[in-house]
Amino acid sequence: EDQVTQSPEALRLQEGESSSLNCSYTVSGLRGLFWYRQDPGKGPEFLFTLYSAGEEKEKERLKATLTKKESFLHITAPKPEDSATYLCAVTGRGSTLGRLYFGRGTQLTVWP
Amino acid sequence: GAVVSQHPSRVICKSGTSVKIECRSLDFQATTMFWYRQFPKQSLMLMATSNEGSKATYEQGVEKDKFLINHASLTLSTLTVTSAHPEDSSFYICSAARGPNTEAFFGQGTRLTVV
Repeated sequence: EDQVTQSPEALRLQEGESSSLNCSYTVSGLRGLFWYRQDPGKGPEFLFTLYSAGEEKEKERLKATLTKKESFLHITAPKPEDSATYLCAVTGRGSTLGRLYFGRGTQLTVWP
Repeated sequence: GAVVSQHPSRVICKSGTSVKIECRSLDFQATTMFWYRQFPKQSLMLMATSNEGSKATYEQGVEKDKFLINHASLTLSTLTVTSAHPEDSSFYICSAARGPNTEAFFGQGTRLTVV
């Protein structure tokens, strides 16, 4: 059974304090690993898709990396507007790319 | 872009009644749409996958007679919660994909409260 575990559950950072969020996964053949941002009461906003170990993607202050067992979302010099819940999801081989299994997310709070 | 819109964003209904939620892809044709449910501080749980013109595929443990899904066109899928009860209160979110090998984009979600 596909499983996604995210840590920590919650993270408080001071503005400018860089850190990383972890996503450990178990899937029968990874087809894709996804990172989303979710604001309260809203649907997830797509950030990245990673397909194979060693792959990295960047967008502004965010950088996502992937190994065979886990993914990291690195946040460099965060700002208060980066406060949100960050979700990790996977899809396994044989599934359609949009059929996702999600972790519980990491709630990030960045204070000035 | 890839914009997915859900309607309504919030709905309150009485116990025993049915409520319909719409999911539309506004600027692309979606051959596949997905429905998720999210309880407070929990992850999104996939309920079902719908393909245009065919019956939806439900995840294990999801009652297909209670959660009716229709994907009648390439831009619209609907989720009907039948005979709703307070335990059905949740945040329902849809996503839509152009095809089986493309990423899905999410709607803004619908907060359902059954009283």
